[in-house]
Amino acid sequence: KAGVTQTPRYLIKTRGQQVTLSCSPISGHRSVSWYQQTPGQGLQFLFEYFSETQRNKGNFPGRFSGRQFSNSRSEMNVSTLELGDSALYLCASSGGSLGGSYEQYFGPGTRLTVT
Amino acid sequence: DAKTTQPPSMDCAEGRAANLPCNHSTISGNEYVYWYRQIHSQGPQYIIHGLKNNETNEMASLIITEDRKSSTLILPHATLRDTAVYYCIVRVAVGGAQKLVFGQGTRLTINP
Repeated sequence: KAGVTQTPRYLIKTRGQQVTLSCSPISGHRSVSWYQQTPGQGLQFLFEYFSETQRNKGNFPGRFSGRQFSNSRSEMNVSTLELGDSALYLCASSGGSLGGSYEQYFGPGTRLTVT
Repeated sequence: DAKTTQPPSMDCAEGRAANLPCNHSTISGNEYVYWYRQIHSQGPQYIIHGLKNNETNEMASLIITEDRKSSTLILPHATLRDTAVYYCIVRVAVGGAQKLVFGQGTRLTINP
């Protein structure tokens, strides 16, 4: 089974621009979560999508948004980029069943650099 | 969110068992303990999880105390490739939605 894929792997953008990152989950997985990782703040939860609906959201400004398509692929968008948005953006997929236990499988990440 | 406490760093000799402790004294009865690891600049890798009982898989063993306030991840025969940051996470479920809250983790160094 193929793992979680993220595109692009590396990206350089300028302050004020917007960016869209893509994530393809493991086949059959319906839940996709996004995380931001920076040296200062560590790994922080952005949001989770399940069956095209945002099911949970972390404490990030409205410039960070996402969506999920009917095939479970997900995109996240960051508008009006700031220098502090430079980070490794990680996507994780899981079966997403309510309750019980499930494990999340992470992709390799997209390294975003804002200049 | 339930919090976890881990030592910031540990060393272990190659071939020996690596025992990584984690405290989670505020864990709720229906929260699971998860362990992930992250090798430099890669995505975190799932290792193991448990609720009450001890668990073992091909990668590691998880020992959870009877009161569930702490746990230990055991890598039975550590290799150089096990050098990574290890995260102990208590899974938070909010209205059916779930997220992983990562702490700072333990930086485990396996020495030859």
